[in-house]
Formats: sequence, C-alpha cells, structure tokens
Amino acid sequence: EDQVTQSPEALRLQEGESSSLNCSYTVSGLRGLFWYRQDPGKGPEFLFTLYSAGEEKEKERLKATLTKKESFLHITAPKPEDSATYLCAVQAYGGSQGNLIFGKGTKLSVKP
Amino acid sequence: DTAVSQTPKYLVTQMGNDKSIKCEQNLGHDTMYWYKQDSKKFLKIMFSYNNKELIINETVPNRFSPKSPDKAHLNLHINSLELGDSAVYFCASSQRRGGGVNTEAFFGQGTRLTVV
Repeated sequence: EDQVTQSPEALRLQEGESSSLNCSYTVSGLRGLFWYRQDPGKGPEFLFTLYSAGEEKEKERLKATLTKKESFLHITAPKPEDSATYLCAVQAYGGSQGNLIFGKGTKLSVKP
Repeated sequence: DTAVSQTPKYLVTQMGNDKSIKCEQNLGHDTMYWYKQDSKKFLKIMFSYNNKELIINETVPNRFSPKSPDKAHLNLHINSLELGDSAVYFCASSQRRGGGVNTEAFFGQGTRLTVV
C-alpha cells in the first residue's frame, strides 16, 4: 500500500535557526512528490514538485530535495511568517488521475 | 481572482439533512477532486473526476456523490448527514499531462462542515 510518513509531527524553531523536515514514502512507482504549505483555516498552497531522485527546487528560504526513499524540506534562517503546517504528498503509478496521497504534515512554529 | 473557489466556507446542519458544497475552478484544468481533512488534519482523497470519468475512493460512503455540470465545476452532495461527516472538505483541480501525470493540484479554501 502506498504510504507517506512525515517527521517530526511538530517543530519549534527560533527565528534564524535552520532545520529540515522529512517525508519518507513507500509507493509502487513515484510519478511526483509535492510539498504544500497550509495555514490555519486555509487550503494547502503549492510549493514544489519533484519528479526524480537527485532533483532539488528552491524558493526563498525553502529548498526541497528528493531521494529514492524520502524528501527533505530544508528551511534556512526561518522567519515567524514561515510558521505553518507543511504537507508532503505523492502521486503514484497505479494511482488514479493524479490523486495525491498525503502525509500527516509537520506543524512548524518559528518564534521571534 | 480566486483559482479554486468553494461555497459555503462554513456549514452547520443537523443529522439526517441533505446538503451540497459547490466548487468552481477558473484555471482551465481538466481534473477536479474532493478531499476530506479530518480533525487530525489528515487529508484524504474522496473523488477525482476527469472528462466524465469518476474515480471513487472505495472507503467513501455512497451518501456522498459528486456532480459535475461542466468541466469547471464539481459539486459535492451529501445525503443523510451523520455526526462523523463533520470535517473540512477541500476541492482541488489539476491538469492531466502526457504519460498519465497530473500537474500540481490547486486547492480551494475549504468548507468546514459541522453536523449537530
């Protein structure tokens, strides 16, 4: 069964303290891995798509990387406005019409 | 200009009632979805709909039915609401590419359904 596991469940950082979020996946075949950000009371907001091992994508203080078993979301010198829940999702071969299988998310809190 | 919009944002209703949630996307995408986010914030696919092809997650009760009047709309009808249906429901859309890959999905702001 296709599965996505994110760790840690929650992460508290001081402003400027860099860290990484982990997303490990077990799928029959990976079509794509997606990172989303979700703020309270809002829908998930797309951040990155990664398709193959070794691929990296960057956006401001965020950098996503992908291996054959996991993905990392690196946050460099975070700011309080980076506080949110970060969701990882995979699109798998054999899955239907681009359905996303989500992890349970990592809730990030950045204190000033 | 909102890409994926859902109405209503909040819905409070009594057990046994029938309700609908509307979703519209203006991205020109050909695939639309409904996801359910439970109290633990876990997002799970309910339906996907592409070009009149409906794929249903087998765990979804048949009280839930999607209706697509056209490519830009996918509404969710729920019959005989139960307490356990309380959750946040998200509509999303994406575009099918070659090789069966879909682009990233864009989500609406969610509808918080509370059944009392």
